[in-house]
Amino acid sequence: GENVEQHPSTLSVQEGDSAVIKCTYSDSASNYFPWYKQELGKRPQLIIDIRSNVGEKKDQRIAVTLNKTAKHFSLHITETQPEDSAVYFCAASILYRGFGNEKLTFGTGTRLTIIP
Amino acid sequence: GAGVSQSPSNKVTEKGKDVELRCDPISGHTALYWYRQSLGQGLEFLIYFQGNSAPDKSGLPSDRFSAERTGGSVSTLTIQRTQQEDSAVYLCASIGGPGHTDTQYFGPGTRLTVL
Repeated sequence: GENVEQHPSTLSVQEGDSAVIKCTYSDSASNYFPWYKQELGKRPQLIIDIRSNVGEKKDQRIAVTLNKTAKHFSLHITETQPEDSAVYFCAASILYRGFGNEKLTFGTGTRLTIIP
Repeated sequence: GAGVSQSPSNKVTEKGKDVELRCDPISGHTALYWYRQSLGQGLEFLIYFQGNSAPDKSGLPSDRFSAERTGGSVSTLTIQRTQQEDSAVYLCASIGGPGHTDTQYFGPGTRLTVL
């Protein structure tokens, strides 16, 4: 089955600096890679996702890159703000377009702390 | 429309008792997933439904855990003879069929505490 590793487990950055979180996956059939943000006591919320037919996707201050050959993908947050402080989870799955996908296999999470 | 809902939001039970956790997916979503999150940990897959059938039950930790889904909508996760290690937040997520987004949307979770 799929195995997703995520690093680092904790990350502290100064407000305004960039943060990078990296994940690797094992199953070359995986084609869908979402990132979830989870604030304390709240549900995971999707912040960005990427499919295997693209190498990079950007949404304002958040970007995700995917290297299919190396089987790794990364989350980049620029100009970090205090509200970015949360736990971030990467995940991998096989997506059957329009019919749902197999289970998401999650990384173990990165606790990001933005220092004012 | 409304998002994924779960009930109860919190459940405290005694060791050995049975509990039922409910998930109401987004209307029209065909696939439904149950995950478990222990304190400070990541999300652990439990079971996945496509319609009323469960193609993947591989994450259920023991035969004390079971789940069903009726009418292609509501799902119930049942834990029999609860143990203290069952204490966690149980999350469900749903995803749409043709014409719907591929994103899994999570419910708010049920926090289960086994004393």
